[in-house]
Amino acid sequence: KAGVTQTPRYLIKTRGQQVTLSCSPISGHRSVSWYQQTPGQGLQFLFEYFSETQRNKGNFPGRFSGRQFSNSRSEMNVSTLELGDSALYLCASSLSGLEYNEQFFGPGTRLTVL
Amino acid sequence: AQRVTQPEKLLSVFKGAPVELKCNYSYSGSPELFWYVQYSRQRLQLLLRHISRESIKGFTADLNKGETSFHLKKPFAQEEDSAMYYCALSGSRDDKIIFGKGTRLHILP
Repeated sequence: KAGVTQTPRYLIKTRGQQVTLSCSPISGHRSVSWYQQTPGQGLQFLFEYFSETQRNKGNFPGRFSGRQFSNSRSEMNVSTLELGDSALYLCASSLSGLEYNEQFFGPGTRLTVL
Repeated sequence: AQRVTQPEKLLSVFKGAPVELKCNYSYSGSPELFWYVQYSRQRLQLLLRHISRESIKGFTADLNKGETSFHLKKPFAQEEDSAMYYCALSGSRDDKIIFGKGTRLHILP
């Protein structure tokens, strides 16, 4: 069974631009969660989607948004990029999202904002 | 407020010595606690969760509600245990998951 995939793996953007990251969950998984990982703050929860609906949201500004498609693939968008948005963005999928022990993580997308 | 604290950023232990990675949490309710591990150049993966009360790769963790702790232990460290370890908390079955900032475990030969 293929694991969680994320594209692109690396991105370089400049301040003010916007970016879209993609996550393809494991086949059959309906929940996708997004996390931001930085050396200073560690892993921070961004949001979780289940059946195309945002079910949970972390403490991030409205510049961070996401969506999920009917095939459970998810995208995350960051608008008006800031230097502090430079991070590794991880997505994780699970069958139903009801048991976090079932989360499987992707390799991440490393975003650098110049 | 929900919070997970891992007081040690780095823990160096000699091979064969016991390992204890500390995790304290703050949550007003009954949380689910997890340990995740990230080996070098590998993905983050679940190591164990408190409700299963299992031992994975020789590691165990006991939830102490009185001390609000969920320390990860292993009696004899192995070199392959070197990795980044994250303690995490989930408040309910459909709640978000909160991670600690992680402890890097370095096993010395």
